[in-house]
Amino acid sequence: KAGVTQTPRYLIKTRGQQVTLSCSPISGHRSVSWYQQTPGQGLQFLFEYFSETQRNKGNFPGRFSGRQFSNSRSEMNVSTLELGDSALYLCASSPGGPGNTIYFGEGSWLTVV
Amino acid sequence: QKEVEQNSGPLSVPEGAIASLNCTYSDRGSQSFFWYRQYSGKSPELIMSIYSNGDKEDGRFTAQLNKASQYVSLLIRDSQPSDSATYLCAVISSSNTGKLIFGQGTTLQVKP
Repeated sequence: KAGVTQTPRYLIKTRGQQVTLSCSPISGHRSVSWYQQTPGQGLQFLFEYFSETQRNKGNFPGRFSGRQFSNSRSEMNVSTLELGDSALYLCASSPGGPGNTIYFGEGSWLTVV
Repeated sequence: QKEVEQNSGPLSVPEGAIASLNCTYSDRGSQSFFWYRQYSGKSPELIMSIYSNGDKEDGRFTAQLNKASQYVSLLIRDSQPSDSATYLCAVISSSNTGKLIFGQGTTLQVKP
């Protein structure tokens, strides 16, 4: 069974640009969530999508957005990139029920210069 | 008070010893608890999940949960150098089934 797949794995962007990251969850999983990991802040929850609807949202500015498609694949977008957005962005999937185990993809390393 | 707290370490143990990693959480209603291992430059890998008070064993790993004390721990028996990594405690919020709240992680060093 394939795991969580994220693309691209590495990317470099310039301040002010926007970026779109993609995630394919484990087959059969309906929940996809996104996390940002930085050395200073650790792992922080961005948002979660379940059956194409945003079910939960973390405390990030509106520049961070996402969506989920009918096949459960998800994308997240960051607009007007700032240097502080440089981070590892992790996608995670789960079946979506209470207490379900959450599995992470390998992540997308974003560097903003 | 942080929602999930861990000692950042590093925790250093000799090869073959037991490593004990601890975590406390603030949301008394939390029901689901996880330990993830993260190697440098890699994504978190699930090691253990625990939902009920008591111990849960899987190979060399034992997770312990005490909801009354709001405390979760992970024991690693017969520690190996390959266990050297950052261990992340994570809790699912009682009000938010899809959101993991992570501690800052404990760095474990197993010395040969």
